Amino acid sequence: GQQVMQIPQYQHVQEGEDFTTYCNSSTTLSNIQWYKQRPGGHPVFLIQLVKSGEVKKQKRLTFQFGEAKKNSSLHITATQTTDVGTYFCAGRSYNTNAGKSTFGDGTTLTVKP
Amino acid sequence: GAGVSQSPSNKVTEKGKDVELRCDPISGHTALYWYRQRLGQGLEFLIYFQGNSAPDKSGLPSDRFSAERTGESVSTLTIQRTQQEDSAVYLCASSLEVISVLGTDTQYFGPGTRLTVL
Repeated sequence: GQQVMQIPQYQHVQEGEDFTTYCNSSTTLSNIQWYKQRPGGHPVFLIQLVKSGEVKKQKRLTFQFGEAKKNSSLHITATQTTDVGTYFCAGRSYNTNAGKSTFGDGTTLTVKP
Repeated sequence: GAGVSQSPSNKVTEKGKDVELRCDPISGHTALYWYRQRLGQGLEFLIYFQGNSAPDKSGLPSDRFSAERTGESVSTLTIQRTQQEDSAVYLCASSLEVISVLGTDTQYFGPGTRLTVL
């Protein structure tokens, strides 16, 4: 079945440093989504990418979808303490019309002020 | 309602007892997911309902776990003969998932049910 892997599992940065998490799928994806889960909270949708090579920005966050639609990345510029949490990607295999989206295991970001 | 709701928010039970967790999805959402999240861990997929299709039960960890969904509304997750390793937060999410429409795969999560098995 489809597998979605994320690296790194944990990342600890000093406030102001940049952060990147990578998501890799074993199959070509029709789309990929990113979610953020704050400590003690539930995952909240951030963005969806659909097109090959797509790049989207949300303030200090930059999301990319690979040309082959099998990988994606989330980059945060100049991290702040409010960025703390776990970032998950989720993707749906391209060739399925009724299958579920699959989540990666997440990258947990901690930021030292 | 405005979002996905789950009940109870917290459940403490004794080992060996059965528990039933409830999820009310967003009205009109055809897809519903159940996940388990242990402390400090990722999302463990349990089961997926999509419209009238047979549910994808491939994530259920044992035959003690079962789930039902009434049409495209409420879902219940039942855990029989609970064990201490069942302690976790159980998250429900719903999605519109009209496959031909972009942007409809977004999963909206409920606040979860924190299950503690003593």
